[in-house]
Amino acid sequence: KAGVTQTPRYLIKTRGQQVTLSCSPISGHRSVSWYQQTPGQGLQFLFEYFSETQRNKGNFPGRFSGRQFSNSRSEMNVSTLELGDSALYLCASSTEGSLNEKLFFGSGTQLSVL
Amino acid sequence: DAKTTQPPSMDCAEGRAANLPCNHSTISGNEYVYWYRQIHSQGPQYIIHGLKNNETNEMASLIITEDRKSSTLILPHATLRDTAVYYCIVRVAFEDSNYQLIWGAGTKLIIKP
Repeated sequence: KAGVTQTPRYLIKTRGQQVTLSCSPISGHRSVSWYQQTPGQGLQFLFEYFSETQRNKGNFPGRFSGRQFSNSRSEMNVSTLELGDSALYLCASSTEGSLNEKLFFGSGTQLSVL
Repeated sequence: DAKTTQPPSMDCAEGRAANLPCNHSTISGNEYVYWYRQIHSQGPQYIIHGLKNNETNEMASLIITEDRKSSTLILPHATLRDTAVYYCIVRVAFEDSNYQLIWGAGTKLIIKP
């Protein structure tokens, strides 16, 4: 099976722009989670989607949004980019997103905001 | 807030067993302990997880104390490729059926030749 695929791998944007990141989960996985990783804050949960519905959201401003399509592929969008949004954005997938289920992570999208 | 405490760094000689400790004194009865590792700027890699029994797989062993307040990840024969940041994580249950990983700062494990 192919792993979790995130595109693009690297992205450079300027302040005020918006960006869309893509995540293709492992085939058969319906839960997709997004995490932000920065040197200062570590890994922080953004949101999780299951069967095209957002089940929970982390403590991030409304500029961060996402969606999930019927084939379980997910996108996240960040509008009005700020310098502090520079981070590695990670996507993880699992079958159901339950407690006793491991998450598989993609390699991430490294976003740099100038 | 992170629910786990780990030493910031550890060294281990190549070929020896690497024992990585983790404290999770506030863990609840239905929360699992997960271990992931991350090599610089790559996605985290799953290692092992458990609830209360010790677990072993092809990568590692997980020893959980009887009171579940701490655990130890054991890499039986460390290689240079095991150099990474190791995260001990408690998977917490929020409302409905959403279960999220709450990440701490991790332990940077350096394997020395």
